[in-house]
Amino acid sequence: DAGVIQSPRHEVTEMGQEVTLRCKPISGHDYLFWYRQTMMRGLELLIYFNNNVPIDDSGMPEDRFSAKMPNASFSTLKIQPSEPRDSAVYFCASTSQSGETQYFGPGTRLLVL
Amino acid sequence: KQEVTQIPAALSVPEGENLVLNCSFTDSAIYNLQWFRQDPGKGLTSLLLIQSSQREQTSGRLNASLDKSSGRSTLYIAASQPGDSATYLCAVRPGSGDKLTFGTGTRLAVRP
Repeated sequence: DAGVIQSPRHEVTEMGQEVTLRCKPISGHDYLFWYRQTMMRGLELLIYFNNNVPIDDSGMPEDRFSAKMPNASFSTLKIQPSEPRDSAVYFCASTSQSGETQYFGPGTRLLVL
Repeated sequence: KQEVTQIPAALSVPEGENLVLNCSFTDSAIYNLQWFRQDPGKGLTSLLLIQSSQREQTSGRLNASLDKSSGRSTLYIAASQPGDSATYLCAVRPGSGDKLTFGTGTRLAVRP
C-alpha cells in the first residue's frame, strides 16, 4: 500500500484565497483524521471521520474551516478565506479500527502571505 | 482537559548512549498511549502503542513503559545511533473517542 497520500505537499497562497487540501487514506481504513501542526501549538486534531461521517469537529478553529469526506477514499479540508495565521503543516492520518495505530501522511505545508 | 508534557524539550547525546524520554499526562483515564517519531519535514511514524492495561511494550532497541496511575510514560532507547535523531512525540487517547492529545515533543540529536 502507498500509505496515506496528501496533496499538495506545499501550498503558498495570499490572504483571502481559498485553499483546499486533499487526502487519500489507506485502503480499508474506516477512520480519517485531520491535524494541524505549528511551532506555537504543536499538533492538534481538527476533525475526524468514521465511515465518512464526521465524529468530532471540536478542533476546527472557526467557520472558515470545513472538511468533507464524500467517499471512503477521499477527504478534503478547505479554508475560505485563508489568513496568515493559518500557516502550518496539515497532516492527514487514518486507521482501521478505533484505538489502533494511526498512520500519517507526509503533510501539506501551507503558507498564507 | 488533558494536557501532555514531554521533558526534556531537546536532548543531545553521543552515539552508543542509552537514553530515556519522558511523557506525563494530567488525566489518567486513558485508553492507550502511543510514541511517534517525526523526521524533519516528514509525517509521524508510530513506534509503540501501549494499552492502558499494559505496563510496557518493546520493539527492537525501543522500550516504552506506562504508569497510568501516576500519569507517566517513558521511552527508553538503547545503544543510540545517529539515525535515531528525530523528534519524538507521545500521544494519549482518552477512554472514549479517538481524539489523540499530543505532547510537546522531544528533539533528539545523536552525535556520531
